[in-house]
Amino acid sequence: QKEVEQDPGPLSVPEGAIVSLNCTYSNSAFQYFMWYRQYSRKGPELLMYTYSSGNKEDGRFTAQVDKSSKYISLFIRDSQPSDSATYLCAMSVNPGTYKYIFGTGTRLKVLA
Amino acid sequence: GAVVSQHPSRVICKSGTSVKIECRSLDFQATTMFWYRQFPKQSLMLMATSNEGSKATYEQGVEKDKFLINHASLTLSTLTVTSAHPEDSSFYICSAKDRLAGYEQYFGPGTRLTVT
Repeated sequence: QKEVEQDPGPLSVPEGAIVSLNCTYSNSAFQYFMWYRQYSRKGPELLMYTYSSGNKEDGRFTAQVDKSSKYISLFIRDSQPSDSATYLCAMSVNPGTYKYIFGTGTRLKVLA
Repeated sequence: GAVVSQHPSRVICKSGTSVKIECRSLDFQATTMFWYRQFPKQSLMLMATSNEGSKATYEQGVEKDKFLINHASLTLSTLTVTSAHPEDSSFYICSAKDRLAGYEQYFGPGTRLTVT
């Protein structure tokens, strides 16, 4: 079993839809959770990070962590065609070690 | 701010040759840089951690004699793939940590290596 599981998609939604992206994990020691966005042929860009269970909001993006279920989500409200990219979750036991475990990424297409 | 560049963006080489990939932090000093490999439809896998002025730390299963890493300055790290083989074809991405900032690492745009 992989430490981090992420549905590769692709996920296609109409413009304006609410998008839900998810990852599950098996290592209960993970404490630091991140979401990255990666456009084609580009490196990943950090969108959000969180240390604790609950929700964290930043503009149209909301990151949700449920440690009891070992489940994290990223919600995108009012999705735009420019949101079309691959979204990767990443996790770490100790962010200072930089031992990040990445999901395989979910490819999102927002249709105009 | 926090821009990381990689050169070249794409390289094709013949089997048995060596290829060098450069990673530069353009507007910050990076005491630590990281090298990742990403195969199609697979996740980013950390290959090694590079600290300025010291030897790189390689992850389990990564051959240090095949993937030579040099981090000679606070803004430059290089990865040399020696005696490349077709199975080394992959997307290589570096990232860098700003020594004055928190935990965030900034990723370069990646280098697509194709070994023929």
